[in-house]
Amino acid sequence: DARVTQTPRHKVTEMGQEVTMRCQPILGHNTVFWYRQTMMQGLELLAYFRNRAPLDDSGMPKDRFSAEMPDATLATLKIQPSEPRDSAVYFCASGFWGPGYGYTFGSGTRLTVV
Amino acid sequence: SQELEQSPQSLIVQEGKNLTINCTSSKTLYGLYWYKQKYGEGLIFLMMLQKGGEEKSHEKITAKLDEKKQQSSLHITASQPSHAGIYLCGATSGGSNYKLTFGKGTLLTVNP
Repeated sequence: DARVTQTPRHKVTEMGQEVTMRCQPILGHNTVFWYRQTMMQGLELLAYFRNRAPLDDSGMPKDRFSAEMPDATLATLKIQPSEPRDSAVYFCASGFWGPGYGYTFGSGTRLTVV
Repeated sequence: SQELEQSPQSLIVQEGKNLTINCTSSKTLYGLYWYKQKYGEGLIFLMMLQKGGEEKSHEKITAKLDEKKQQSSLHITASQPSHAGIYLCGATSGGSNYKLTFGKGTLLTVNP
């Protein structure tokens, strides 16, 4: 089965450090989403791309978060500088743009900022 | 923006019982997605509904989208411990915007 691969699976970092999370979407998928999941807020949409172009990143704190797709096989989410409130599980999902399609999620990156 | 309200927030049932989870939208639903999540894992796609009145089934799980397309229900028949997890409904906005947002989820516990 095709999978969305996220690395690393777990990350513990100190406050103020840069964190980079990576996502390899399923080959051929043209849409990539980044989500953040916490107990309090649930699953929040941070940003999404279609054909590698960012469509909406209004869910991201702009001063510290950035999302990019340097090529069709890689999406990255960076936090600089990281803060304890960024501790969460970050998910990437990929799929085809348009109605009628389900999106496939990766296993997530569990980030802990101490 | 579109908001999705799920009810109940949590549910505990005895194995073999039927149950229903609801998802209500503040706006018309153009695509309604149901996912299941086990603790510490990613989301697993269950099914997607688009048309008012549409109903789909996946094993013992049935989902419906009401005619007005503002509410969906997920029904599990004869629940099993393997059904335990968090069920999330997600929806896409109208027009050409397929931004997918989610409700807070329903935590299902099935006691053997």
